[in-house]
Amino acid sequence: DVVLTQSPLSLPVTLGQPASISCRSSQSLVHSDGNTYLNWFQQRPGQSPRRLIYEVSNRDSGVPDRFSGSGSGTDFTLKISRVEAEDVGVYYCMQGTKWPFITFGQGTRLEIK
Amino acid sequence: EVHLVESGGGLVQPGGSLRLSCSASGFTFSDYAMHWVRQTPGRGLEYISAISNNGDIIYYADSVKGRFTISRDNSKKTLYFQMSSLRTEDTAVYYCGTAGKYWGQGILVTVSS
Repeated sequence: DVVLTQSPLSLPVTLGQPASISCRSSQSLVHSDGNTYLNWFQQRPGQSPRRLIYEVSNRDSGVPDRFSGSGSGTDFTLKISRVEAEDVGVYYCMQGTKWPFITFGQGTRLEIK
Repeated sequence: EVHLVESGGGLVQPGGSLRLSCSASGFTFSDYAMHWVRQTPGRGLEYISAISNNGDIIYYADSVKGRFTISRDNSKKTLYFQMSSLRTEDTAVYYCGTAGKYWGQGILVTVSS
């Protein structure tokens, strides 16, 4: 199975400052169709997961443009340009390239310093 | 507007059974593979089962294989999860979703004597 390793696991950030989360895959996530099915999810306390980014760098509708995704192959990054209070929660990367063998990263807990 | 609504959760004794349902609306259910993911308190997301859009591909994580059964009825736009031989470690919030943009609100399953 593909293992996704996120770092850091805990991310204290000052309001207005940037934040970055890394997601490294044990295998290349490039699908045979040429796409890379690496998604990023946000889970606020008490809520369901919410997809922010799909296929590495595409923002879902309604997602603020302070969120961005990048990367390729096995290394991926989620960046928040200026953290706001509503960004508190846990962030997960998830690969769908190997469907049905989907995997999630362990999660990164973002908190306000 | 898209809705995924889980039902059927609750308290059950170890060794017992429960059947979760996930009712979909607002999107073409039969076009999407569907998934069950669970989350124990303070833990990450655990991907446990998937079914292709027409039901011909099914996946189970080792933690539930042989005990849980996923199925779907596209005419009713409903996903099912038959859980048997339940263990205390199956206690979690269970989410149905497309593993992409659409997720249910989650439903609590508690296995306890």
